[in-house]
Amino acid sequence: AQTVTQSQPEMSVQEAETVTLSCTYDTSESDYYLFWYKQPPSRQMILVIRQEAYKQQNATENRFSVNFQKAAKSFSLKISDSQLGDAAMYFCASRGSGNTPLVFGKGTRLSVIA
Amino acid sequence: KAGVTQTPRYLIKTRGQQVTLSCSPISGHRSVSWYQQTPGQGLQFLFEYFSETQRNKGNFPGRFSGRQFSNSRSEMNVSTLELGDSALYLCASSLVGRYGYTFGSGTRLTVV
Repeated sequence: AQTVTQSQPEMSVQEAETVTLSCTYDTSESDYYLFWYKQPPSRQMILVIRQEAYKQQNATENRFSVNFQKAAKSFSLKISDSQLGDAAMYFCASRGSGNTPLVFGKGTRLSVIA
Repeated sequence: KAGVTQTPRYLIKTRGQQVTLSCSPISGHRSVSWYQQTPGQGLQFLFEYFSETQRNKGNFPGRFSGRQFSNSRSEMNVSTLELGDSALYLCASSLVGRYGYTFGSGTRLTVV
């Protein structure tokens, strides 16, 4: 079974600054996939970034990047040049290579201060 | 293309009643998953359907059931509603799981 842990229930960042959200996971599978989702007040979960465990290169999507440390089972999200629209709940999630469900962490609520 | 559509957006039901929620996935997506989201428990997996067959099931009582139709649309049903069933119910569809899931806006269920 996979588990995902987000140890920061809340974070805040000044507009235009950089913030890092932490996530650790546990899995017995050798092949798996990791995701960060954003959930704004509108409730819809939006995929921010994904990482395939077999790829050593950290994924990047515009201002969003990850620091994937496979040995440490760590998958942190870095948001650069934070914007007011980045304020939301952020969920880390993992999924095995087979037909296993997507497992989520408890989430981190990010506030952006103008 | 259209996203994942969930109906209704809001629902208020009385304890003991039953409820049916609907989810229309992105065209071409054959996998549909359901999640229950509450402040205390976070996002909990309910079940996943693929080509009309339940592929995975979470740890929920038998009052929670679902099905998928030949057009990939899915419904979930909760019978004998309890106050603790009040939650946001999210549906997600995927073409291939490793590319992530696309979520709908959810159905907010309140049981009174």
